Amino acid sequence: GNSVTQMEGPVTLSEEAFLTINCTYTATGYPSLFWYVQYPGEGLQLLLKATKADDKGSNKGFEATYRKETTSFHLEKGSVQVSDSAVYFCALSDRAGGGNKLTFGTGTQLKVEL
Amino acid sequence: GAVVSQHPSRVICKSGTSVKIECRSLDFQATTMFWYRQFPKQSLMLMATSNEGSKATYEQGVEKDKFLINHASLTLSTLTVTSAHPEDSSFYICSASVIGNQPQHFGDGTRLSIL
Repeated sequence: GNSVTQMEGPVTLSEEAFLTINCTYTATGYPSLFWYVQYPGEGLQLLLKATKADDKGSNKGFEATYRKETTSFHLEKGSVQVSDSAVYFCALSDRAGGGNKLTFGTGTQLKVEL
Repeated sequence: GAVVSQHPSRVICKSGTSVKIECRSLDFQATTMFWYRQFPKQSLMLMATSNEGSKATYEQGVEKDKFLINHASLTLSTLTVTSAHPEDSSFYICSASVIGNQPQHFGDGTRLSIL
């Protein structure tokens, strides 16, 4: 079956530091990959997605590249802000848009300090 | 656009009570709605998938008689936790999508606490 593995948190960074959150996956076929962000007490918001190999998803300074050869979709941001503090979930879906069943990783909490 | 409203945001009730959680798509028609459960500091676990007008499909290990799901219209799905007990305390999140190749849009979740 499908599975997603994320690096454990929490990740604590100083403002303007470089961020990497690792994500690897196991899936049959050609899944679509997603990063969702969850702020405290809220639901999930789609941050970015990629639907095929070598695609790069990007949004709000975050980016991730779909690497089929390493089955990875690592999230990166060049300069984090305090407002980026949240829990980040990597996910995959058998459907391009993710409207089908999503399989989530365990989430990585990011704390950004001044 | 694509707003999903979930209500209530927080419920505290006594053991044995049944609790209903509503999930509404405010500005689009959702053919499919999903219900997730999230334990503290853990990921979301899909409980069930519901398509408008048909019975929900439950994930393995989820008691369908315990967690009743109704998706009577294209804008509303409800999850009823029947005879809730403390172990049912959790954060429940719904999501909705128009069709399979469109993203899921998530509600803000409901924190259920059973005393």
